[in-house]
Amino acid sequence: GAGVSQTPSNKVTEKGKYVELRCDPISGHTALYWYRQSLGQGPEFLIYFQGTGAADDSGLPNDRFFAVRPEGSVSTLKIQRTERGDSAVYLCASSLGRADTQYFGPGTRLTVL
Amino acid sequence: AQSVTQLGSHVSVSEGALVLLRCNYSSSVPPYLFWYVQYPNQGLQLLLKYTSAATLVKGINGFEAEFKKSETSFHLTKPSAHMSDAAEYFCAVNGRRGGADGLTFGKGTHLIIQP
Repeated sequence: GAGVSQTPSNKVTEKGKYVELRCDPISGHTALYWYRQSLGQGPEFLIYFQGTGAADDSGLPNDRFFAVRPEGSVSTLKIQRTERGDSAVYLCASSLGRADTQYFGPGTRLTVL
Repeated sequence: AQSVTQLGSHVSVSEGALVLLRCNYSSSVPPYLFWYVQYPNQGLQLLLKYTSAATLVKGINGFEAEFKKSETSFHLTKPSAHMSDAAEYFCAVNGRRGGADGLTFGKGTHLIIQP
C-alpha cells in the first residue's frame, strides 16, 4: 500500500516568509509525528499527534512553529517568519497507534535564503 | 531524559567483512530501541527494534542487534557486508514505555563499503 507522503519535496523561501509543509500518513494510522533533520545530524522530534490532538509538542523550538491535524489524517506543519536556521529536512512519520513502528516519509527539504 | 550516542560518524569495511555499528543509550526507564537506515534521497527505513522481548533482535537484510542492559548498548551487526549496505544508519531510543513522545535519535553513522 501507499506509504507516508510529504509535499513539497523541496521548498525554497526567503527569510521572514511563511511556509506550510504537508504530510499524508498511511491510511488508518492514528499517530503522526514530525521531526527535523539538520545536515549531519539525526532527526529531532518536534511534535506528536494522536488523532486530531497534539499529544506532545515539547519538541517545537519556539512559537513560530505550529502544526495541525484537523481531521485526524493529513497534517500541516506551519512555520512563520522563517529564519535561515530553519533550513533542514522536515520528516513526517506515522504509526498504527501508540508504541507501534513509525514509518517515515521522504521528507521536505526547506531552504531559507 | 534519554539520549543516544553513536560511536564513529563514519565506518568503512570491506565487502564480505563484518559490520559493527555501535550505539549506547541513556534512559531513565526501560527503553524501546531501534535501528533505522537511510539511503540517499530516501526516507528512514526500520531495520529492527527491541521492545523488551528477546535481547538478540534480528532485522531485515541480515542485520541483527543485541540489547545489553549492563552496558546500555544496542550495537548493530551483520556478518558479511554487501555493497548495497552503504547508507546512513541511525540508532534511536524511546524511553517511555508506550512510545508516545517520539524517538530520540543518534547523530548517525555513515557506512562505507569498500570493494
